[in-house]
Amino acid sequence: NAGVTQTPKFRVLKTGQSMTLLCAQDMNHEYMYWYRQDPGMGLRLIHYSVGEGTTAKGEVPDGYNVSRLKKQNFLLGLESAAPSQTSVYFCASAQLKVAGTGARRDQPQHFGDGTRLSIL
Amino acid sequence: AQRVTQPEKLLSVFKGAPVELKCNYSYSGSPELFWYVQYSRQRLQLLLRHISRESIKGFTADLNKGETSFHLKKPFAQEEDSAMYYCALGNNAGNMLTFGGGTRLMVKP
Repeated sequence: NAGVTQTPKFRVLKTGQSMTLLCAQDMNHEYMYWYRQDPGMGLRLIHYSVGEGTTAKGEVPDGYNVSRLKKQNFLLGLESAAPSQTSVYFCASAQLKVAGTGARRDQPQHFGDGTRLSIL
Repeated sequence: AQRVTQPEKLLSVFKGAPVELKCNYSYSGSPELFWYVQYSRQRLQLLLRHISRESIKGFTADLNKGETSFHLKKPFAQEEDSAMYYCALGNNAGNMLTFGGGTRLMVKP
């Protein structure tokens, strides 16, 4: 199993260009996430999805859009790239688990290798 | 709002020395806490979670609700422990993690 696969691994864009990052998982996970990692700031959640056809905003959603048309794929789009979006982007997925009480419990998130994006 | 603080950006110790990576959180509900690790050129991966109360690679972490802390400890550091460590807090819905800023651990020979 590949787990979580991100493409591309590296990309350089000019300000104003658009692009889409692809995340694919083969574990049949319900949840998928997009984070950005910046020095000293840890991982910050951009958008996430709790199932096919659903998306929600995270901590830093501005300037990004996402789509989850298929359960296994989660796309992150930059419509008009800005230098402030230079970062390393990580995708993650997790399984839904419901405890006997009906409460949802966190499951470990499985991460991809990351995409290093530079915007000039 | 939930928040995770890792006060040290860098922690440098000698091989064989004890290690403690600090993590403090703020959360109004019942917390679920995790430690994730990222070794050089590898993807981020789960190290341990508080509900498992397990020891992984010699690391342990105890949830202290009074001090709202979840510090990661190891009695004798090894060079292969050098990595970036992230503390993370789960939300009530069980579908989101909030990560701390990370601590880079360097274990010197």
